[in-house]
Amino acid sequence: DAGVTQSPTHLIKTRGQQVTLRCSPKSGHDTVSWYQQALGQGPQFIFQYYEEEERQRGNFPDRFSGHQFPNYSSELNVNALLLGDSALYLCASSLVLGGGLEQFFGPGTRLTVL
Amino acid sequence: GDSVTQMEGPVTLSEEAFLTINCTYTATGYPSLFWYVQYPGEGLQLLLKATKADDKGSNKGFEATYRKETTSFHLEKGSVQVSDSAVYFCALSSNTNAGKSTFGDGTTLTVKP
Repeated sequence: DAGVTQSPTHLIKTRGQQVTLRCSPKSGHDTVSWYQQALGQGPQFIFQYYEEEERQRGNFPDRFSGHQFPNYSSELNVNALLLGDSALYLCASSLVLGGGLEQFFGPGTRLTVL
Repeated sequence: GDSVTQMEGPVTLSEEAFLTINCTYTATGYPSLFWYVQYPGEGLQLLLKATKADDKGSNKGFEATYRKETTSFHLEKGSVQVSDSAVYFCALSSNTNAGKSTFGDGTTLTVKP
C-alpha cells in the first residue's frame, strides 16, 4: 500500500517565478491538506481540499492556490515567488469519514527560492 | 486563534534516560491533541493522539495525557534509545477534522549511547 507521495523532491526557483508541487494521497483517502514548514519551525496549514474544492484555508495569500483532481491527487501552485517562500512543503492525506482523525504525511518537497 | 507551545530544544539525553517534552496549547472548544515525530529526510509520522480530556495516548513506549485543566499534553518515555533521536511536534486539531492542524515548533531530541 503506497503511502503519500510528493514530487518533485527538491526544486530551485528564482524570485517572481511560479511553481507547481504535486501530491498523491494514501490509497483510500479522499482529503488532501498542504502545509508549509520553514526551517526550524512547525508546519503551517495552507489549505485543505475535499471533493475537488478548497474547504479550509490558513493565513496564506492568494499567491498560494491549489487543485484536487477526481482521483484525489492534488497540486499546490505558488505564483510570484518570494525569498520567504523557501521551505519544505508537506502534503497530508486523510479520510473525512471513519479516518480516526489520522492524517498521513508525505516526505515533502524542498523549495528553494533564490 | 489556536496555538501550541513546546519546550525549547534541543534536548540531549543518554540512552535509557527518562524523557519529558512539555507541550501546552490554547484553543477554542475541545480539540484533539497529537504528537508527531519527524526523522531526518522524512515526513511527519503520527506517534500518538488523545481526543478528550484525561485520555492517555501511547505508542512505542511513549505516553501523553490530555490535561484540560492545565491545557497540556506532555510527552514522556521511561527509557529512551538512540533510535528515538528525531524532531517531535505537538499538534492540535478539531475533533472532526485532523486535516487542519496547528503545530508547535518542534523539539529536537538527540540520544547518545
